[in-house]
Amino acid sequence: DTVLTQSPALAVSLGQRVTISCKASESVSSSSYSYMHWYQQKPGQQPKLLIYHASNLESGVPARFSGSGSGTDFTLNIDPVEADDIATYFCQQSWNDPTFGSGTKLEIK
Amino acid sequence: QVQLKESGPGLVQPSQTLSLTCTVAGFSLTSYNVHWVRQPPGKGLEWMGVIWNTGGTRYNSALKSRLSISKDTSKSQVFLKMNSLQTEDTATYYCARDLDPYGVMDAWGQGASVTVSS
Repeated sequence: DTVLTQSPALAVSLGQRVTISCKASESVSSSSYSYMHWYQQKPGQQPKLLIYHASNLESGVPARFSGSGSGTDFTLNIDPVEADDIATYFCQQSWNDPTFGSGTKLEIK
Repeated sequence: QVQLKESGPGLVQPSQTLSLTCTVAGFSLTSYNVHWVRQPPGKGLEWMGVIWNTGGTRYNSALKSRLSISKDTSKSQVFLKMNSLQTEDTATYYCARDLDPYGVMDAWGQGASVTVSS
């Protein structure tokens, strides 16, 4: 299985930029696509797709969210962070059978 | 409007079989794959398996011996059955649509909470 490693938590000030990282145990990129996706989950809610194939913004998601990376190293950026962004963020790979990172909980400083 | 909704028993006894239904609207099961994902309380997400638009399936190797996913396209329903349940199977179970057959889950149900307890 491809293991995805995320930091457990990040503290950020509102209005600042935050970078959430995800490292894969093997490359999840081909010459055409990176098979890395990002989700936001708020307490008591289902996950919500934010970014797919590393850098594509899902329809309806604010442009404050962006994604980048290839190979084994990927990042989700939020700039600027708003109060509504307080949530847990999961990366997920689909290079092989899907696996998820353990999630990064975004907290306010 | 794309919608998915899970339904099933909230409580299952140990060693029994879990049966869940995912009823979808706004898209056809002949065109999209549907995944099942679960989340134990306070923990992360675990992919369980997928049923492809063609009807083929693939399962998480850790669950394969206990898991079955099927569908009734005419009723727009996807079914999950998992046997020999244990307390560690207590979780919220989600079904999710695959955006582009590359494992991007773009629409999720609200989840079905399942407790395994006697």
